[in-house]
Amino acid sequence: NAGVTQTPKFRVLKTGQSMTLLCAQDMNHEYMYWYRQDPGMGLRLIHYSVGEGTTAKGEVPDGYNVSRLKKQNFLLGLESAAPSQTSVYFCASSKHPGQGTNTEAFFGQGTRLTVV
Amino acid sequence: DQQVKQNSPSLSVQEGRISILNCDYTNSMFDYFLWYKKYPAEGPTFLISISSIKDKNEDGRFTVFLNKSAKHLSLHIVPSQPGDSAVYFCAARVRISGGSNYKLTFGKGTLLTVNP
Repeated sequence: NAGVTQTPKFRVLKTGQSMTLLCAQDMNHEYMYWYRQDPGMGLRLIHYSVGEGTTAKGEVPDGYNVSRLKKQNFLLGLESAAPSQTSVYFCASSKHPGQGTNTEAFFGQGTRLTVV
Repeated sequence: DQQVKQNSPSLSVQEGRISILNCDYTNSMFDYFLWYKKYPAEGPTFLISISSIKDKNEDGRFTVFLNKSAKHLSLHIVPSQPGDSAVYFCAARVRISGGSNYKLTFGKGTLLTVNP
């Protein structure tokens, strides 16, 4: 039972470098999310996707791009990394919530990214 | 504009006593509220939820209370155990305007320490 898997788990980037974080889920979930967690800031939504081929901006989308070419994968890209993007990144997935029902989000273990 | 607020960054209780974690919200359109628990170096895991049409939900040692008029919810853990020591996030779900999709908004979290 893999659930939500994030790759890589750790990464150090130099300012201006680019990278892609991969999230894969095996639960056939419609929704996928990327969050970042910073000290004293909680979890903030970067981008999300409500289905294959669709993406939308969250609370803090600037400096990031995403793609959902396959239902099971959600990629988060940093085109030109900045020190302000040093954070722990969490991917999550959930079923389509549907009205009147609760659908919990399942989280990956996180990617710790440091930009120097 | 923070719509989900956890005003206590930390809480310390003795083993066997009750832990009460609080959460306030501002958006009356939230339809579900969830609590997540997070251990260091792990992703958040779902703990318990409550629909906006209920005022109480109980699951073993965990009970969530919702006071809609006060826009306040709380998580009670009785009895508290050292293994409950973690960061607890309050989250709220809202329908995205104009569609049938939803998104989750998280609070900043409260660090609970249960002392043996």
